[in-house]
Amino acid sequence: QVHLVQSGAEVKKPGSSVKVSCKTSGGTFTTYAINWVRRAPGQGLEWVGGIIPLFGMPNYAQQFQGRVTITADESATTVYMELSSLRSEDTAMFYCARGPDVPTHYDTNGFPYFFHYWGQGTLVTVSS
Amino acid sequence: DIVLKQSPATLSLSPGDTATLSCGASQSLSSKYLAWYQHKPGLAPRLLIFQTSTRATGIPDRFSGSGSGTDFTLTISRLEPEDFAVYYCQQYGRSPTYTFGQGTKLEIK
Repeated sequence: QVHLVQSGAEVKKPGSSVKVSCKTSGGTFTTYAINWVRRAPGQGLEWVGGIIPLFGMPNYAQQFQGRVTITADESATTVYMELSSLRSEDTAMFYCARGPDVPTHYDTNGFPYFFHYWGQGTLVTVSS
Repeated sequence: DIVLKQSPATLSLSPGDTATLSCGASQSLSSKYLAWYQHKPGLAPRLLIFQTSTRATGIPDRFSGSGSGTDFTLTISRLEPEDFAVYYCQQYGRSPTYTFGQGTKLEIK
């Protein structure tokens, strides 16, 4: 059984950065993309970006380009998401998510069509 | 990018009723790329339906998905108290990109 366990809540000042981790267990780490999804208060779900650890090349949503960095540590089976230049509007719950175990539900780049496994969420609060 | 619009924004129903949630896409998309999630406060989103109409493991058959092209529907029959939550549709786009609808809140009447 696949499990995604995220790091704890963070409180940050505007202009600073936050780094959230997502440790995976129970499955093959390197070949499955880990993605990040954000839910701000009163808003819907929003894809931030994702990475396939085997390739190490992340994909980012356009609105986060230049502010987000997603990395993977194979030895720790952990994926990290760092968001910089934080502003109050970045206050949100961040989730890591992975696709299913069935290869047919993935594109040719290795990204899933949907998210089957989710982390428990990490609350990031940006406040002065 | 494809935009997903969900309706209604809020749906007020009673246990035992049938809920019909709509998801409209700004462009036609493959049924393979449309999924639905349930989201409750304090919990992670839960995959309900993928490929427009396939239930995820452990999802009761009260949940069903349908649609094609630009119009997709999630139907929840015989509503149970635990079904009241926010529901999102999601589409996959190449590159990749992922887009969610803005959500439908299903509340108890």
